[in-house]
Amino acid sequence: DIQMTQSPSSLSASVGDRVIITCRASQSISSYLNWYQQKSGKAPKLLISAASNLQSGVPSRFSGSGYGTDFTLTINSLQPEDFATYYCQQSFSATWTFGQGTKVEIK
Amino acid sequence: QVQLQESGPGLLKPSETLSLTCSVSGGSISSFYWSWNRQPAGKGLEWIGRIYSSGTTNYNAALKSRVIMSVDTSKNQFSLKLTSVTAADTAVYYCARVSFGKYSNAHFDYWGQGILVTVSS
Repeated sequence: DIQMTQSPSSLSASVGDRVIITCRASQSISSYLNWYQQKSGKAPKLLISAASNLQSGVPSRFSGSGYGTDFTLTINSLQPEDFATYYCQQSFSATWTFGQGTKVEIK
Repeated sequence: QVQLQESGPGLLKPSETLSLTCSVSGGSISSFYWSWNRQPAGKGLEWIGRIYSSGTTNYNAALKSRVIMSVDTSKNQFSLKLTSVTAADTAVYYCARVSFGKYSNAHFDYWGQGILVTVSS
């Protein structure tokens, strides 16, 4: 199976900060990489598909980039509603896998 | 707006079979892939498997020997069975719709609210 490793596992940030979360795949996955946001007690929500394709209705302060094995999710000017856990997920191989998550907390 | 709703028993004993159903409303189940994911308390997400509306399935290799998925297009529902459950199968189970976008990348665009299944003697 393709292993997805996110870093950091958690971070503390202030409103207005720029936050960068990285996701590394154990082998090349082209652009088959998605990002989800999960708030406590809720289902995950798709933010970005195919590494950089922002979903309709998702604020433009979210952006994704990367190709192959290294990907990033950037949140520009962090807002109070952005405090959540973020997961990457690959759909390159037959068995889809998620990263372990990055929890974004208030500093 | 597509909505998904999981249903099924919330408490099982070890060795029993977990059976969950996902009801889809606001859209047809036909011509889409549908998936089950799970999340143990305080932990990350795990993909269980997917099923196409025709019944074609793909399962996580780690769970393949215990998983059966099925679809009932007449009821706009799909289901999950997980046999011989243990405490390690305790988790929130989510159903989700799979869509294919740019580069035919598959992603989960609609999710159910999740159902907690606890395995305990």
